[in-house]
Formats: sequence, C-alpha cells, structure tokens
Amino acid sequence: EAQVTQNPRYLITVTGKKLTVTCSQNMNHEYMSWYRQDPGLGLRQIYYSMNVEVTDKGDVPEGYKVSRKEKRNFPLILESPSPNQTSLYFCASSLTGVNSNQPQHFGDGTRLSIL
Amino acid sequence: QQPVQSPQAVILREGEDAVINCSSSKALYSVHWYRQKHGEAPVFLMILLKGGEQKGHEKISASFNEKKQQSSLYLTASQLSYSGTYFCGTPLREGAWYNYGQNFVFGPGTRLSVLP
Repeated sequence: EAQVTQNPRYLITVTGKKLTVTCSQNMNHEYMSWYRQDPGLGLRQIYYSMNVEVTDKGDVPEGYKVSRKEKRNFPLILESPSPNQTSLYFCASSLTGVNSNQPQHFGDGTRLSIL
Repeated sequence: QQPVQSPQAVILREGEDAVINCSSSKALYSVHWYRQKHGEAPVFLMILLKGGEQKGHEKISASFNEKKQQSSLYLTASQLSYSGTYFCGTPLREGAWYNYGQNFVFGPGTRLSVLP
C-alpha cells in the first residue's frame, strides 16, 4: 500500500531532550516536506527536500533540523526541544515538486508535547 | 504570504450548498485544495492551474481566477461526510529552479460542519 509513515504517533518529552520523528514513504517520491499544525494557523512548512542531500527551509525552520540521506526517509530532528514546539506534525511527500502541481500525500501525524 | 480563507467556519444542514474562498495578496500560481477530518491527515481534493479552470470532484468543484488572485471551492448538496476543515494552499514560486524554490504555503483553513 502506498503510504507515508511517521513515527512515533504521540510523544511527550521534556525541554532540551533531543528527539527525532521519522518519516518514510514507499512511493519513490522525490519531494518530501514537514509541516506543523497549530490551531488557527493552518499547516506551516518547516523544511522540504527535493532530492537526496538537498534540503531547504520552509516558513518556520528555527529549532528544527532535517536530513535526506536516502530518497525514502526524511527525519525531523529537534536538537533541544522547547515548549513552543508542542504541536501536531505532518510529513508529506509528492512525486515531484509542488511547482509541478503534484499533490502531496500526508502521513498520519505526530502529536508532540514538550513539557 | 499565507492565503486568506473565508469564512472561518460554516455550519450547514445536509443537502445545502457552501462556498469557501481563498485569496492572496501575492500571485497565485496554482491552488491546491485539501480536506482534513478531525484527528486525521489532510487529504488531497484537487489542484487548479492557471487559466480560470474549474474542476470537479464528486459534488465538490472549484474555480481559479489568477487575475483576481482567488479561488473558490463549491460544495453542492452537502453530505455528512463533507464535514471537516478545508485548506487551500499554493506554491510560493513559479517555475523555480528544480531543487529549490519549492516552498508551499497553506491558508488557515475553513471549518465546515454538516448537520443531519
């Protein structure tokens, strides 16, 4: 089944403790992206990647890191999480970039709470 | 840079129609529409390209007027299953260099509730 898989689905952690949210897609998509969703603000792009070893900042990249060592994986790293990063996070992938007008397929989301 | 959506929320009875609007102060190169049900991931509905085209998906259709920098989503004879939050989104750049300039921005969403 074609899908985008995120793990974990839920995580409660404490300020400053490094964490990684994994994202994997099995559709051979080139484009992958991370979004955070907060009430009233919609989905805001954190980072995206168009290719292995190629990543670029989205709207709200501060406090996050990403890597794209393999085409299928695009982990989101919070080196020193803070409470303002408490949010619902979505990973998405697209066959080619958003400029080529391909739809994005979303993972089920990761609800992250940082105390 | 974020598109504006209106209304913020709408409540309908089954069978009624609704229109959700999406507009931007900057150029819209294409408009993507998604629906998100509570507790679930956003699901793709349709993409509108330049040219004023109108697309349809079941009883959901949309139009795009790039000159006016706006798009509208039309839901006719609404069903209970249409309840959710609708987001429009757009790429920030057009024809960007392949690996870069692929930023994407969503509007804040319109919450649609369809009652029996």
